[in-house]
Amino acid sequence: DSGVTQTPKHLITATGQRVTLRCSPRSGDLSVYWYQQSLDQGLQFLIQYYNGEERAKGNILERFSAQQFPDLHSELNLSSLELGDSALYFCASSAYGLEETQYFGPGTRLLVL
Amino acid sequence: SQKIEQNSEALNIQEGKTATLTCNYTNYSPAYLQWYRQDPGRGPVFLLLIRENEKEKRKERLKVTFDTTLKQSLFHITASQPADSATYLCALRRGGANNLFFGTGTRLTVIP
Repeated sequence: DSGVTQTPKHLITATGQRVTLRCSPRSGDLSVYWYQQSLDQGLQFLIQYYNGEERAKGNILERFSAQQFPDLHSELNLSSLELGDSALYFCASSAYGLEETQYFGPGTRLLVL
Repeated sequence: SQKIEQNSEALNIQEGKTATLTCNYTNYSPAYLQWYRQDPGRGPVFLLLIRENEKEKRKERLKVTFDTTLKQSLFHITASQPADSATYLCALRRGGANNLFFGTGTRLTVIP
């Protein structure tokens, strides 16, 4: 158990809808990362937050957004969902954002029908 | 853009043998390179990190080498066991960046 929690574990929704994925980092970790993992693309970095502020951006679509709250939990919002957004979404955390090791949560499996 | 290739999608080996996985990268000089293990439906778990100025790192039955000239890392599991069966991902962080870039992974199966 990495200490990172993600909810929900599974999500099934329809195209055009909007969903919110939630992540709670390990106790004391200030930095949260979001990744998308699909069969054909592998694990792709989406975005990083550090202590409430956006720190780095990767291959995140404009339809996706994220935020980190004062209690350090983070949410990833996916809107206008398309079939191709079906994937596993992982959250990871680290202490300060420059730490070498990231601790991954169990993931949220999103299926868009 | 950064490209990370892992030598094969799948690798099958006999129990007790040494498994060797390859990670090749282009375009950037990473500050360090990491290896993660991922079991089906679960998040990656950190195994080993090797820095750009290190040639080799060991942890129990695991060994990682890093050749910055060849832009390649090798990951070895000695005396492999069926419990080592998983997907292994390499990831690198280039200097000045916070995020990791991951390879697509190699699915290792250790046959009893």
